[in-house]
Amino acid sequence: GAGVSQTPSNKVTEKGKYVELRCDPISGHTALYWYRQSLGQGPEFLIYFQGTGAADDSGLPNDRFFAVRPEGSVSTLKIQRTERGDSAVYLCASSRLAGARGELFFGEGSRLTVL
Amino acid sequence: DQQVKQNSPSLSVQEGRISILNCDYTNSMFDYFLWYKKYPAEGPTFLISISSIKDKNEDGRFTVFLNKSAKHLSLHIVPSQPGDSAVYFCAASGKAAGNKLTFGGGTRVLVKP
Repeated sequence: GAGVSQTPSNKVTEKGKYVELRCDPISGHTALYWYRQSLGQGPEFLIYFQGTGAADDSGLPNDRFFAVRPEGSVSTLKIQRTERGDSAVYLCASSRLAGARGELFFGEGSRLTVL
Repeated sequence: DQQVKQNSPSLSVQEGRISILNCDYTNSMFDYFLWYKKYPAEGPTFLISISSIKDKNEDGRFTVFLNKSAKHLSLHIVPSQPGDSAVYFCAASGKAAGNKLTFGGGTRVLVKP
């Protein structure tokens, strides 16, 4: 597709369960970013990848959160032992090069609700 | 601590008038600033950007002004149109952070016909 694709668009889970959120970036974009947006707030940085490696994971809130990008394209954000406070919209974005200044292209997000 | 702040959570303006959105930042390492627009149930979309070597950038109805000494930027939309009703986010990045953006909390704009 032409844009950043995120699945699922909505995920409802129970406290303590494991969740995976997937991001398919724009073809040819080497940099991929995960953000989290809670209600009424701006997107909050979680992690970004340059190719296959995590260049900066300083925004991951704790060790329950993990993300991979094994082939330098699709990325999966994994959340273990979900908590109600993890409920948010998880946004993925991509850009041509992590080091180049320019816009990030965002997907529509995956809304996670932890009951 | 919030490094990028948008102190006005909402703004209401009449169609055809000017909308002015403000943003303040605290990190002096930020040297590139962007504005994003977000409709409900959609991801943020890029609107306009400005590098710290400039103090103004214009694109059609949208103009961004940067005041480095005050660590302040603003977005002017003129004339405002009903389709501009959305949430607007200010974002900033620094060279050392690559293209990682730090966002403000957003300003919801309502343009009344």
